[in-house]
Amino acid sequence: NAGVMQNPRHLVRRRGQEARLRCSPMKGHSHVYWYRQLPEEGLKFMVYLQKENIIDESGMPKERFSAEFPKEGPSILRIQQVVRGDSAAYFCASSITAPGLNTEAFFGQGTRLTVV
Amino acid sequence: GQQVMQIPQYQHVQEGEDFTTYCNSSTTLSNIQWYKQRPGGHPVFLIQLVKSGEVKKQKRLTFQFGEAKKNSSLHITATQTTDVGTYFCAGAGGTSYGKLTFGQGTILTVHP
Repeated sequence: NAGVMQNPRHLVRRRGQEARLRCSPMKGHSHVYWYRQLPEEGLKFMVYLQKENIIDESGMPKERFSAEFPKEGPSILRIQQVVRGDSAAYFCASSITAPGLNTEAFFGQGTRLTVV
Repeated sequence: GQQVMQIPQYQHVQEGEDFTTYCNSSTTLSNIQWYKQRPGGHPVFLIQLVKSGEVKKQKRLTFQFGEAKKNSSLHITATQTTDVGTYFCAGAGGTSYGKLTFGQGTILTVHP
């Protein structure tokens, strides 16, 4: 059973370009979460999705950021018109049920985004 | 919204010394989870605590969940160099059902 797969592992974008980060959850997991991490800082919640639905996007910046988890295919975190401040590690996690139901989350290896 | 505070932010210990990190939530939690992230790696689940006052042990690691289900601690006995990394607590439930709210993490350095 493959773990949570994220790609690419490293992504370099020029200011103003778009960044698309992909996350394939573990098999059988229908709950996906995206977190952002700056160096030597904690994991900041961005968005929680289930298949075809955004459940909680309270941590997502209102502009330029969007996320989806379609019926088929991976979850996508999209950042439009990237700026230097978007440089960070973006982690995706998945779980069988929602964390409030006492289930652990499995993390992918992250995408390190560098905006130049 | 729900906040999870974790202290200390950094901890440097000599190999063999003990280490403790503390976690406090602004709201009552349904469960608390602990994760470890090695330098350059990704968070890896360690354990989950669900019951009020629960204590769990994993070899040299002891995890506690407070009676009010708002605080937790992780204690490592006789640290080893393999213990280095960042330890995060993450709270679930309460007013933020469905999402894990992470503490800032404690970065542990173990000097041989």
